Amino acid sequence: DIQMTQSPSSLSASVGDRVTITCRASQSISNSLNWYQQKPGKAPKLLIYGASSLQSGVPSRFSGSGSGTDFTLTISSLQREDFATYYCQQSYSIPFTFGPGTKVDIK
Amino acid sequence: QVQLQQSGPGLVKPSQTLSLTCAISGDSVSSNSADWNWIRQSPSRGLEWLGRTYYRSKWYNDYAVSVKGRIILNADTSNNQFSLQLKSVTPEDAAVYYCAGYSTSARWFDPWGQGTLVTVSS
Repeated sequence: DIQMTQSPSSLSASVGDRVTITCRASQSISNSLNWYQQKPGKAPKLLIYGASSLQSGVPSRFSGSGSGTDFTLTISSLQREDFATYYCQQSYSIPFTFGPGTKVDIK
Repeated sequence: QVQLQQSGPGLVKPSQTLSLTCAISGDSVSSNSADWNWIRQSPSRGLEWLGRTYYRSKWYNDYAVSVKGRIILNADTSNNQFSLQLKSVTPEDAAVYYCAGYSTSARWFDPWGQGTLVTVSS
């Protein structure tokens, strides 16, 4: 199975801050990497697919980059509605696996 | 727009079978370009993919090793839905269970069901 790790596990930031979250795969997954945002009591919501493509309707302050084993999710200017937990997920091979999550909360 | 609606009990006794159903609107469970998945989430295990059922001229299932032998996924074409059965549950199976669609061209999980919190207790 492909193991996914994320760092940091949590961070505190202020509105307007630039935030970067890192995801690493235990083996190369090309660009088969998706990012989700989850708020309490809700299902995860797709933000980025194929490592760097923005899902329709997602604000352009979200961006993704990387390929192979190392990926990043960047929020260019954090907004109040962005406080949530973020997960990466590999779609390279079965079993699909998720990172442990990065919780972004208010400083 | 594809939507998924989950149903099923939120309380299951230890050693019994957890059964959940996911009704699909806006797509077909027999689609040749979509897979239908179950994913669970717990504080101890995080987001864990459990398995998928899909139709490519015939029905296929894939299961996570962690639940293989206890899990059965079925598709119900008459009602355009798919289901999860997890046998011999223990408290470790307590989690929020989600169904999710996966397009083979898009390769991401979307949409998701609303989630079902399953408690395992006598």
